[in-house]
Amino acid sequence: DTGVSQNPRHKITKRGQNVTFRCDPISEHNRLYWYRQTLGQGPEFLTYFQNEAQLEKSRLLSDRFSAERPKGSFSTLEIQRTEQGDSAMYLCASSSGGQGAREQFFGPGTRLTVL
Amino acid sequence: GQNIDQPTEMTATEGAIVQINCTYQTSGFNGLFWYQQHAGEAPTFLSYNVLDGLEEKGRFSSFLSRSKGYSYLLLKELQMKDSASYLCAVTRNQAGTALIFGKGTTLSVSS
Repeated sequence: DTGVSQNPRHKITKRGQNVTFRCDPISEHNRLYWYRQTLGQGPEFLTYFQNEAQLEKSRLLSDRFSAERPKGSFSTLEIQRTEQGDSAMYLCASSSGGQGAREQFFGPGTRLTVL
Repeated sequence: GQNIDQPTEMTATEGAIVQINCTYQTSGFNGLFWYQQHAGEAPTFLSYNVLDGLEEKGRFSSFLSRSKGYSYLLLKELQMKDSASYLCAVTRNQAGTALIFGKGTTLSVSS
């Protein structure tokens, strides 16, 4: 396994359109995270899955955002009715489970540009 | 609220030592991470501290004082390739879920 992968790497869309991103975590990792990063800022947490259960969502995740991890493997993040303020790098990360914090391995990200 | 502060920018020369500080105020604490991020790339893990003290890993060391809400990342024998953003991040709960990141410190290493 070569690490966390994300597709597409770049997405340009017009305001009001829906977009969907995919994340494939490291295969043995049961924890999966989505973050958003804008220029000059650190990543901001969006949501977290343990296996297929979505256990935590940030207040940043408005009702236009939805994430799924249907079989506890890959995950999708959908943004409906995109706005220019959604333009950012969307990062996915995964980690192993168990007690305590674990190192999160990040994917290369999907860069979204909303025109 | 959650607050993580680090300097915005630092500069140093090849071969030098640089210390990047991070202070945090969070509701709950279960560890502090340092990540390195080169421009246009994903963050990569450098270190993790949950107990007070110094963790050393090659040219990089990280220190934590939980009572002071303070950490630093020490980079020795700087190389040009160390030019990057260094992100301090805190995890709040025992499950070790969401990372709360600072804005990052952009380090520029010159020859």
